[in-house]
Amino acid sequence: DTAVSQTPKYLVTQMGNDKSIKCEQNLGHDTMYWYKQDSKKFLKIMFSYNNKELIINETVPNRFSPKSPDKAHLNLHINSLELGDSAVYFCASSPQAGGPVEQFFGPGTRLTVL
Amino acid sequence: GDSVTQMEGPVTLSEEAFLTINCTYTATGYPSLFWYVQYPGEGLQLLLKATKADDKGSNKGFEATYRKETTSFHLEKGSVQVSDSAVYFCALNRNTGNQFYFGTGTSLTVIP
Repeated sequence: DTAVSQTPKYLVTQMGNDKSIKCEQNLGHDTMYWYKQDSKKFLKIMFSYNNKELIINETVPNRFSPKSPDKAHLNLHINSLELGDSAVYFCASSPQAGGPVEQFFGPGTRLTVL
Repeated sequence: GDSVTQMEGPVTLSEEAFLTINCTYTATGYPSLFWYVQYPGEGLQLLLKATKADDKGSNKGFEATYRKETTSFHLEKGSVQVSDSAVYFCALNRNTGNQFYFGTGTSLTVIP
């Protein structure tokens, strides 16, 4: 029944490691997103894919690389993790734009870099 | 460019108090406007939305009216409960693209 799911829910790792977060949506949406939420709850868009094509790529270090194997999945790979990468990462999806659409969010992945 | 400005928090209210969280926006055209709520430890979920001027979105006792003349979408609730404690985000979507613009979030704590 879960609409947007993410794994893992918690991720604790050492500086310098490489890690991935996975996201899947079963809503049939065309567009998926990654957001980063810092400790003050500020939500920052990182990437957006539409039908597996990258359409939004904000100013994010190139250590972050999204991958969309199909329109239901959007994964986030992070190389050489740094302390400042500690945050909650949210995946979201929405229908194809062209009218009033809303985003559906996953439960988040809390990343802690030690 | 498009943006959303919302009232800074944190906000602390007693149970049954009246709530207003201000939100104003800047956008070209006629965006859709949203309020999302994030309960502790969870993702954001849609609380209410309005898609054109003078529309009123409502859900769970919360209301917000799309005011184009003042470019505002203030969130109100007449009587808050402890279970309303959460972070509230105002957001807009221009309807012609996939970009959503979120405010900075307002943390609400309701005390018994």
